[in-house]
Amino acid sequence: KNQVEQSPQSLIILEGKNCTLQCNYTVSPFSNLRWYKQDTGRGPVSLTIMTFSENTKSNGRYTATLDADTKQSSLHITASQLSDSASYICVVSESTGKLIFGQGTTLQVKP
Amino acid sequence: DVKVTQSSRYLVKRTGEKVFLECVQDMDHENMFWYRQDPGLGLRLIYFSYDVKMKEKGDIPEGYSVSREKKERFSLILESASTNQTSMYLCASSLSTLNSPLHFGNGTRLTVT
Repeated sequence: KNQVEQSPQSLIILEGKNCTLQCNYTVSPFSNLRWYKQDTGRGPVSLTIMTFSENTKSNGRYTATLDADTKQSSLHITASQLSDSASYICVVSESTGKLIFGQGTTLQVKP
Repeated sequence: DVKVTQSSRYLVKRTGEKVFLECVQDMDHENMFWYRQDPGLGLRLIYFSYDVKMKEKGDIPEGYSVSREKKERFSLILESASTNQTSMYLCASSLSTLNSPLHFGNGTRLTVT
């Protein structure tokens, strides 16, 4: 069964610290993996997309990695800010276009 | 920027009522989707549409129907609302290409009492 699992479920860090969120998937055939950020009371917004041939992609202080062999992705946040407090959702696309959603990681950045 | 607008942020309805959730997008996207989001369950696809008057069932279509009479508008209908349909409902749109992101509205929080 195609699944996407994220860890940890929730995370609390101090402002200025780094953190890494994990996403493991069993989706096949794989097309791409996308990370979304969902602020409280808002819809998710795409942060970055990883295709099969990409290992690393950065978007400001956000860096996503993909290991297609182990079927793992991570989202690294550098020098966290209060505005990074949100839920982060990993979404994997099958080659058919079907999307498999992870349950998300809730990040709280404290001053 | 793509804008996806959901007509209501909060709705409170009674059990058995017919409920309409409206969604409009302004970027001429072919695809439109309705999801519900519940704690611990993530986002689950209810219905999607890849063209006007076309619709496909998602993973949890029971108790719901949809309408897409115009390309920019996708409506979710709860024929007879039940308390287990209390949830956050998110509408999204996208282009039809495989790597296109979903653009979400800000959601409608529906409470059925």
